[in-house]
Amino acid sequence: QSVLTQPPSVSAAPGQSVTISCSGSISNIGDNYVSWYQQLPGTAPQLLISENNKRPSGIPDRFSGSKSGTSATLGITGLQTGDEADYYCGTWDSSLSAWVFGGGTKLTVL
Amino acid sequence: EVQTLESGGGLVQPGGSLRLSCAASGFNFAGYAMSWVRQAPGKGLEWVSGISGSGTSVHYADSVKGRFTISRDNSKDTVYLQMNNLRADDTALYYCAKNSGAGNYYYMDVWGKGTTVTVSS
Repeated sequence: QSVLTQPPSVSAAPGQSVTISCSGSISNIGDNYVSWYQQLPGTAPQLLISENNKRPSGIPDRFSGSKSGTSATLGITGLQTGDEADYYCGTWDSSLSAWVFGGGTKLTVL
Repeated sequence: EVQTLESGGGLVQPGGSLRLSCAASGFNFAGYAMSWVRQAPGKGLEWVSGISGSGTSVHYADSVKGRFTISRDNSKDTVYLQMNNLRADDTALYYCAKNSGAGNYYYMDVWGKGTTVTVSS
């Protein structure tokens, strides 16, 4: 059971948009920045969104992040088949003094 | 190029030990915390441990506390994970990741390709 809760899967057609939610608590999302990671099949995770809503260099603006209270959301617009991957939210938990991740969401682009 | 390269994985019997190494390059190593994150086969990411840039602050997941020890040698740009009393549920791909700042609470911005640890008799 992960400290952060994500839906196991989401799907949408190419060109459409999708959101992935990440729910936590005051001690983690409520108190710290959220980052998002994309893991393409058979590869290592890579940083997608940092500090709630910042895109690292090279990440298209089709990807966006937001945070409100104890929840965060990853948005992807203009879906492409190459976006099929597992997506993880993560943050520091101030009570646990540990990093925590969501269980991951598998995105299928139909 | 900023990168991390893990090594030291392998097959070990339950109760055995293994030491993972992570060689970093392309950045001021001592200025950044480093983390170990693992992924069991078919499962999600699980943070294992983190060490601050100076090495004075370390943190562990409850699942490994008392069995794993993280350390770093800033003269060699290398971070280590000593794993003792290994169990079957420690079987995973272990990633070494660079944090974006000196403290363990910073996000991870660079990930290695991982090294596989299999605990089995």
